[in-house]
Amino acid sequence: EVQLVESGGGLVRPGGSLRLSCAASGFTFSDYSINWVRQAPGKGLEWVSSISSNSNYIYYADSVKGRFTISRDNAKNSVYLQMNSLRAEDTAVYYCARDVVPGTTFFMVDYWGQGTLVTVSS
Amino acid sequence: QSALTQPASVSGSPGQSITISCTGTSSDVGVYNYVSWYQQHPGKAPKLMIYDVTNRPSGVSNRFSGSKSGNTASLTISGLQSEDEADYYCSSYTGISSPVFGGGTKLTVL
Repeated sequence: EVQLVESGGGLVRPGGSLRLSCAASGFTFSDYSINWVRQAPGKGLEWVSSISSNSNYIYYADSVKGRFTISRDNAKNSVYLQMNSLRAEDTAVYYCARDVVPGTTFFMVDYWGQGTLVTVSS
Repeated sequence: QSALTQPASVSGSPGQSITISCTGTSSDVGVYNYVSWYQQHPGKAPKLMIYDVTNRPSGVSNRFSGSKSGNTASLTISGLQSEDEADYYCSSYTGISSPVFGGGTKLTVL
């Protein structure tokens, strides 16, 4: 069974940092691109970042570019999102999600984690 | 990149069919067949319903279908059921290494 489990969310002050993790199981992790998608309370979905299967291709939304860094460790079946200089508008549930077609990064995702809440507030 | 345009809400009675539109531009929906649709129930993670404009993942009911004409993609749900009541989001590849989502449509089953 494919599973994605996020962790690392919590309450952080503006300007602070958090590192989210996404642990994957049930599939050949190194074959798939992984994405982070967030959803602010009561709002819609917003794509945040993606990393290709071999980390050769990394993409960020303009809203997080220069502040967030995505990485992966295929030996540990994990993806990470280092979030620095956090702002109130980064408050959201953060989901990691797998691209539906192995070896591609077209941002169509089939499996999602349960999400982890990040709250940026003083 | 601007968000794709979806109606804020649609409604239908059990057994009926409804269609949710998703309007983009000639830079995203109009040129790429990498359009996907997601269903989200309150407090839950989104679920992929359609990808590549028309493809249904394994396990998704054949009551759900996708199509595209020009810059507008559509999700049609036939034989509406109470459990279909949820928020629906479309998404499209944009060719500049990022996807764009629609604002979401709340489906109410009357």
